[in-house]
Amino acid sequence: GAGVSQTPSNKVTEKGKYVELRCDPISGHTALYWYRQSLGQGPEFLIYFQGTGAADDSGLPNDRFFAVRPEGSVSTLKIQRTERGDSAVYLCASSLAVGGPQHFGDGTRLSIL
Amino acid sequence: LAKTTQPISMDSYEGQEVNITCSHNNIATNDYITWYQQFPSQGPRFIIQGYKTKVTNEVASLFIPADRKSSTLSLPRVSLSDTAVYYCLVGVGYSSASKIIFGSGTRLSIRP
Repeated sequence: GAGVSQTPSNKVTEKGKYVELRCDPISGHTALYWYRQSLGQGPEFLIYFQGTGAADDSGLPNDRFFAVRPEGSVSTLKIQRTERGDSAVYLCASSLAVGGPQHFGDGTRLSIL
Repeated sequence: LAKTTQPISMDSYEGQEVNITCSHNNIATNDYITWYQQFPSQGPRFIIQGYKTKVTNEVASLFIPADRKSSTLSLPRVSLSDTAVYYCLVGVGYSSASKIIFGSGTRLSIRP
């Protein structure tokens, strides 16, 4: 069956630009998670949704980062005024319910020049 | 705030059993322990999850002592394809809002 899909797989943009990263979770999964992973490090939690609402956004580094999941399915991570330090792989995962095994996409590699 | 500690790297040989231990001294009552495997340029892949005692599935076993302050992932008869980074995750109990924190991961290298 279809897994978690993330688009684009790669994104290169200039400092100061706005970017949107998309995540299509597994159908029927109510929980959705965003992580950021730098080279050689473990995934860093950003935010998770239960349905349409952000249940925990404490991992978002600052107010340039925002995520939505308006219909409880697809989610978009939005980054304003990008900085070079935002360069990383952004991972999305979904689970049938909060606390259950998470199914990850292969990530979006974001490079800020 | 549950935080995990794992060995940075481990080496073993094909056919051997490999045990990776994760320390999580501040685990909360509702927290589950989950292990993931990650290959380069891929997202982590779920291996096993447990709360206490022992859990076994077709690929691994998870041992959790009574105090739950550590856990051990056991991979029986490893092969070259088990070379990967393994993460211990503690958090998001079914009824808690505890933070999700991945460990730094253990880089497992399997030799012929």
